[in-house]
Amino acid sequence: DAKTTQPPSMDCAEGRAANLPCNHSTISGNEYVYWYRQIHSQGPQYIIHGLKNNETNEMASLIITEDRKSSTLILPHATLRDTAVYYCIVHYGGATNKLIFGTGTLLAVQP
Amino acid sequence: DAGVTQSPTHLIKTRGQQVTLRCSPKSGHDTVSWYQQALGQGPQFIFQYYEEEERQRGNFPDRFSGHQFPNYSSELNVNALLLGDSALYLCASSGDRGLPEQYFGPGTRLTVT
Repeated sequence: DAKTTQPPSMDCAEGRAANLPCNHSTISGNEYVYWYRQIHSQGPQYIIHGLKNNETNEMASLIITEDRKSSTLILPHATLRDTAVYYCIVHYGGATNKLIFGTGTLLAVQP
Repeated sequence: DAGVTQSPTHLIKTRGQQVTLRCSPKSGHDTVSWYQQALGQGPQFIFQYYEEEERQRGNFPDRFSGHQFPNYSSELNVNALLLGDSALYLCASSGDRGLPEQYFGPGTRLTVT
């Protein structure tokens, strides 16, 4: 699985959009970009995933660059409950394949 | 519908002892994966069970072993505990065909003294 690079930490004001970047320059053509988050003392939670096109669900939006070497997770209106470590994972897809986590980005939403 | 459940929540063991952690997958899931998460690190994949057999394994020694039962629940066993085995142990289940995500339990916090 390709390696990902994320900033170790970011701050965001409550109610504003949080934009979390991820670099995955060695991604291969059949690898998906997945995002999970881990709120303190809980297990990781799936957020969203995509292959080429931008994706949106009730939690977030995922923007993948045309060359697929980077992506951005967008939380449109961050709340205090969104404070968590966010992991960007490049993955062959399929829920039964192992996930390789990096150290993620600690997003701190400030009141 | 209960999600992934794990027991116990916390556990304290002494070096050299053995420990067994338990996981019940989300209803309808047939695949269980185990991860180890040291403090300040992301989860590391230990192994995965499907149809009662180990299907994938990460870079962990043979002291780490597992089992999956016919009802898809699973156990993680660690023998000859080391101080470095202190971590949060996470179980994840999957298997809903067509759904991409793994569902994680709350974890078991193991402390080795």
